[in-house]
Amino acid sequence: DTGVSQDPRHKITKRGQNVTFRCDPISEHNRLYWYRQTLGQGPEFLTYFQNEAQLEKSRLLSDRFSAERPKGSFSTLEIQRTEQGDSAMYLCASSPNRGNTEAFFGQGTRLTVV
Amino acid sequence: GENVEQHPSTLSVQEGDSAVIKCTYSDSASNYFPWYKQELGKRPQLIIDIRSNVGEKKDQRIAVTLNKTAKHFSLHITETQPEDSAVYFCAASGITGGFKTIFGAGTRLFVKA
Repeated sequence: DTGVSQDPRHKITKRGQNVTFRCDPISEHNRLYWYRQTLGQGPEFLTYFQNEAQLEKSRLLSDRFSAERPKGSFSTLEIQRTEQGDSAMYLCASSPNRGNTEAFFGQGTRLTVV
Repeated sequence: GENVEQHPSTLSVQEGDSAVIKCTYSDSASNYFPWYKQELGKRPQLIIDIRSNVGEKKDQRIAVTLNKTAKHFSLHITETQPEDSAVYFCAASGITGGFKTIFGAGTRLFVKA
């Protein structure tokens, strides 16, 4: 385990379809974050897990978005009834549970909604 | 809510010159300030960070300064090289936010050879 891995790397879907992304964090990291990044912008916080507990979800996040981390290891992010505005890079990051420390990012999943 | 503002959005310098990127944050409880570098098509990667108990930190050609009173922090890159060209993000996090990291919008740095 050399880093955070995300799958798939790219996803093209038709508007209205559901998509699910997976993130495998660094194995000893308790914290897991999902971010969304659009062209020319910084990563935008979506949601955060401490082990299996989802501790915070961005107020900007539509009800169409849901995330899980059932066993405190990998996480999934699902987008239902995708819209063209959902097209973005979805980044996962993880960090160890010892105060404030670096978040390690995965390569991201690039979603294109057509 | 928490907010991080970053300036400038684009910065072009001649190789060998210095580059400075400035950020401000809104949450006074923030106590950790990382800087990430993102090259085209790649993931953001940490280049340097600073905690609220220090005012300055240096690592070779990169330095960060923090003014907690003013809620300002800056990245300084000296003797810039073409390989420094990338997008740089400042960020802030704190315990009241559950340690989530809030990012600035980024600065695209061009280093001209």
